[in-house]
Amino acid sequence: QQQVKQSPQSLIVQKGGISIINCAYENTAFDYFPWYQQFPGKGPALLIAIRPDVSEKKEGRFTISFNKSAKQFSLHIMDSQPGDSATYFCAAHDPTSYGKLTFGQGTILTVHP
Amino acid sequence: DGGITQSPKYLFRKEGQNVTLSCEQNLNHDAMYWYRQDPGQGLRLIYYSQIVNDFQKGDIAEGYSVSREKKESFPLTVTSAQKNPTAFYLCASSILDGGGLQHFGDGTRLSIL
Repeated sequence: QQQVKQSPQSLIVQKGGISIINCAYENTAFDYFPWYQQFPGKGPALLIAIRPDVSEKKEGRFTISFNKSAKQFSLHIMDSQPGDSATYFCAAHDPTSYGKLTFGQGTILTVHP
Repeated sequence: DGGITQSPKYLFRKEGQNVTLSCEQNLNHDAMYWYRQDPGQGLRLIYYSQIVNDFQKGDIAEGYSVSREKKESFPLTVTSAQKNPTAFYLCASSILDGGGLQHFGDGTRLSIL
């Protein structure tokens, strides 16, 4: 019930291409879905987030698409750059459980120049 | 600059030894969290605290202990009972029920000698 499943585990994209990472969840109580970006040796940093009453949110080259009926959401990185190479985590916030964040397994993105 | 400071960055543990990881925040956040990160497994919650002198077990608390004597500090002790302690440990903080907006430190990498 608390699980968030993320795919793919790793992704290789050419510079200028589109990177797409998908997440699926079970718990309909989740009310906030952040994406975190993590560089090697660093902690995760909030990248972009969405609430389930919105189907899409865009910030620069990063877009979240949200499908509430399918309980799925995805991160799209347009015009991917080598500097985007990092590990990306989706997460889901449960307001019924002290504000717990449940994380996906992570996706290692490599953007080749 | 406000943020979360974790120390040390690297730590080595001998068999049968307890080690303590430090986490300090100056964001005036009430809630603090400890996560363990292993490759391909995302972030798993060890302990969390919403107020001074109170803390709760997360999903993988066995072999770990914490204290919360000050609002700014939330140290994690990895005890000898934790048989597989090698991992990247992340500390985070948020306002109470911050809706998923957790801020992370840059982690401590713990290895076995």
